[in-house]
Amino acid sequence: AQSVTQLGSHVSVSEGALVLLRCNYSSSVPPYLFWYVQYPNQGLQLLLKYTTGATLVKGINGFEAEFKKSETSFHLTKPSAHMSDAAEYFCAVSEPSGYSTLTFGKGTMLLVSP
Amino acid sequence: NAGVTQTPKFQVLKTGQSMTLQCAQDMNHEYMSWYRQDPGMGLRLIHYSVGAGITDQGEVPNGYNVSRSTTEDFPLRLLSAAPSQTSVYFCASRGSTAGTDTQYFGPGTRLTVL
Repeated sequence: AQSVTQLGSHVSVSEGALVLLRCNYSSSVPPYLFWYVQYPNQGLQLLLKYTTGATLVKGINGFEAEFKKSETSFHLTKPSAHMSDAAEYFCAVSEPSGYSTLTFGKGTMLLVSP
Repeated sequence: NAGVTQTPKFQVLKTGQSMTLQCAQDMNHEYMSWYRQDPGMGLRLIHYSVGAGITDQGEVPNGYNVSRSTTEDFPLRLLSAAPSQTSVYFCASRGSTAGTDTQYFGPGTRLTVL
């Protein structure tokens, strides 16, 4: 069984500061990993994903994440926060074979102050 | 392409009423899923389908039925609505071939059961 833990239900940063959202997973096989963003009253949008290959993955809006197998982590970072980054972020995991359902973390709300 | 569409956007039901949440996709995706989103719980899988005529249960299937008669449509039925089913419901789809592991989400249906 897979599981995802996102540390911190809320993270507050100042505009221009580093954004770090933490995600740890549990999986019996090397997983596929995803970060989704949800803006208020909207659906989920894919930020980035790791499937195979390079462990540092770049996504949209300046975000990136690094897959660290030894730490079972997939933390999301952005060097400089912007007000428009305020949203809820979800980490998710799936198995790579056939159809595998997505297992989501509980989400982290990112608050950006001026 | 419209992507994944959901209707209605909002719905209020009384306890015991039934209704169907509609989901359609125009990307010829084999895989479709229904999730519910509750505060602090992330997204939880209700039911999913790997193709027309094939459905299976997810993490929280009780009180919901699904069917998949066409590739495009995957309706979710609430047989007898309960207040515990107050939630935001998301439909998602993805392809079945290698490299199509990204799930695309609809805009959601916000359901309130009184």
